[in-house]
Amino acid sequence: SQKIEQNSEALNIQEGKTATLTCNYTNYSPAYLQWYRQDPGRGPVFLLLIRENEKEKRKERLKVTFDTTLKQSLFHITASQPADSATYLCEGGATNKLIFGTGTLLAVQP
Amino acid sequence: GAGVSQSPSNKVTEKGKDVELRCDPISGHTALYWYRQSLGQGLEFLIYFQGNSAPDKSGLPSDRFSAERTGGSVSTLTIQRTQQEDSAVYLCASSFTLGQDDRGYTFGSGTRLTVV
Repeated sequence: SQKIEQNSEALNIQEGKTATLTCNYTNYSPAYLQWYRQDPGRGPVFLLLIRENEKEKRKERLKVTFDTTLKQSLFHITASQPADSATYLCEGGATNKLIFGTGTLLAVQP
Repeated sequence: GAGVSQSPSNKVTEKGKDVELRCDPISGHTALYWYRQSLGQGLEFLIYFQGNSAPDKSGLPSDRFSAERTGGSVSTLTIQRTQQEDSAVYLCASSFTLGQDDRGYTFGSGTRLTVV
């Protein structure tokens, strides 16, 4: 079945380090991937979108990559801060397919 | 409005009753999406509307679920004869266009549905 898979284990890192989150897609080819942040009790908030013909996209401390060979997107937060602690969701979009992963919980320790 | 508004924010209903969930998208957004999120789970796609096109209902889990979007704006998700497994947070989102939009989707805060 078509899936977006994210690491279900929480990622714990020290403040100031770079956090790297992984999103893998299987059995379909998304035309784009989106990354969202979700805090408890709130709806997801859009962060970045990357298209299949783009290898990398940046926004402030955020960087996203799209590797169609590995069928994977990496999401990086540089100089992480405790305020970056949240669940990060990946979504892969294709014609008639809008599939979210289950998200990865990031905890940044001061 | 400034954001996507969903109502009610919480709904407790008895098994077998019908419920209606409402979504007010951002003005000017042509695409509207409904997702369901169960505890500790990802977002499960239910349905999307794009402009005047027929909605994509491929994600609706059963024929007890239906949705409509009136006048290209407000949307209502209806669940008939609710079951306990319908308990979840129902999230609505809207966007300027369907899919590849660098502005992404804007989500509401969701309706937490509890079926007892």
